[in-house]
Amino acid sequence: DAKTTQPNSMESNEEEPVHLPCNHSTISGTDYIHWYRQLPSQGPEYVIHGLTSNVNNRMASLAIAEDRKSSTLILHRATLRDAAVYYCILSDIQGAQKLVFGQGTRLTINP
Amino acid sequence: DSGVTQTPKHLITATGQRVTLRCSPRSGDLSVYWYQQSLDQGLQFLIQYYNGEERAKGNILERFSAQQFPDLHSELNLSSLELGDSALYFCASSVGLSSGSYEQYFGPGTRLTVT
Repeated sequence: DAKTTQPNSMESNEEEPVHLPCNHSTISGTDYIHWYRQLPSQGPEYVIHGLTSNVNNRMASLAIAEDRKSSTLILHRATLRDAAVYYCILSDIQGAQKLVFGQGTRLTINP
Repeated sequence: DSGVTQTPKHLITATGQRVTLRCSPRSGDLSVYWYQQSLDQGLQFLIQYYNGEERAKGNILERFSAQQFPDLHSELNLSSLELGDSALYFCASSVGLSSGSYEQYFGPGTRLTVT
């Protein structure tokens, strides 16, 4: 399984944008980039995923570097509810769909 | 609400016992996954079923087994329980298996405490 590297923790202020980085230098051509988050006392929650192009949905945006060796999850206007552990995960398009979770980034939002 | 249900929510049992955790996937989802989350190991993939068939295995102990039934609900059986099996067990479901990538929807989890 290809590995991802994320900062252990980040802090931001409410109503400001947040950029969560992820490095995945060993990514293969068939790996999708997924982001999940886990709010306190809840199961993981799907945020967004992409392959090569940048992606937007109602929750966030995913910016993928041209060489695909890194990506950034963008929360455009953080709220207190966005405080969670964010996981960047690679999943092979051709293989089993299992998710291999790393340590993730613990995001703290200050009021 | 993800649409994935898990029962029971909490389970307290003694070492050496056997328990069964149950998961009902979202309507229409054919794949079910089981994950274990403990303080020291983090979130770990255990096993995946697709339409009743085992599809992938992760770090699942031999004391653990799972199955997916014709109505697509799944059960995770944990036997000869040890203190170290205390953890949160999550079930997730997704649409399918064919090429592409599908988001997984997680249930609220079952908290297992082995005393």
